[in-house]
Amino acid sequence: KQEVTQIPAALSVPEGENLVLNCSFTDSAIYNLQWFRQDPGKGLTSLLLIQSSQREQTSGRLNASLDKSSGRSTLYIAASQPGDSATYLCAVSLGQAGTALIFGKGTTLSVSS
Amino acid sequence: GAVVSQHPSRVICKSGTSVKIECRSLDFQATTMFWYRQFPKQSLMLMATSNEGSKATYEQGVEKDKFLINHASLTLSTLTVTSAHPEDSSFYICSAKNRDRPSNTFGSGTRLTVV
Repeated sequence: KQEVTQIPAALSVPEGENLVLNCSFTDSAIYNLQWFRQDPGKGLTSLLLIQSSQREQTSGRLNASLDKSSGRSTLYIAASQPGDSATYLCAVSLGQAGTALIFGKGTTLSVSS
Repeated sequence: GAVVSQHPSRVICKSGTSVKIECRSLDFQATTMFWYRQFPKQSLMLMATSNEGSKATYEQGVEKDKFLINHASLTLSTLTVTSAHPEDSSFYICSAKNRDRPSNTFGSGTRLTVV
């Protein structure tokens, strides 16, 4: 059974710091991996999607890497801002495109000004 | 493009009543809809998968008679929580499969509080 773990559960940093969020999964046979942002009481915003054949994806100040063989992914946030404060979720898809996702519990990030 | 409208965003209901949550794909046909539930400080857990025109498939531990799912059209899927109890209070969110995109499109979620 696939399990997704995110470490740390919570993180507080001052504005401007670079930070790394970690995600691990137990079954390396994934189709893709996604990172989402969730604001309190809100839905999900997709940040980055990495296909199983890819090693990393970048969008602005965000960079996500994937090491499928070791079951790990990291989300790197450069020059953090207070507006980055949110919960970041990692999710994997086991099947082909469009199948359900298995989520981690998330990392709650707080960036202070 | 690829928007899923989910309503209501928040609902408070009395114990024993039923609540219907709607997810509507606005600009694409959603052949498959996934329904998730998220308890506080927990991960989103898949409850059921519905395909247009057929019965939903429920995950282990999810009562199909309590959580009624209807996917009668390619643009609308509904989740009805019947005889709601306080332990059903949770965040419910849908996700639609879009065959033109590599990832599914999520609704904005519904916060259900049963008092």
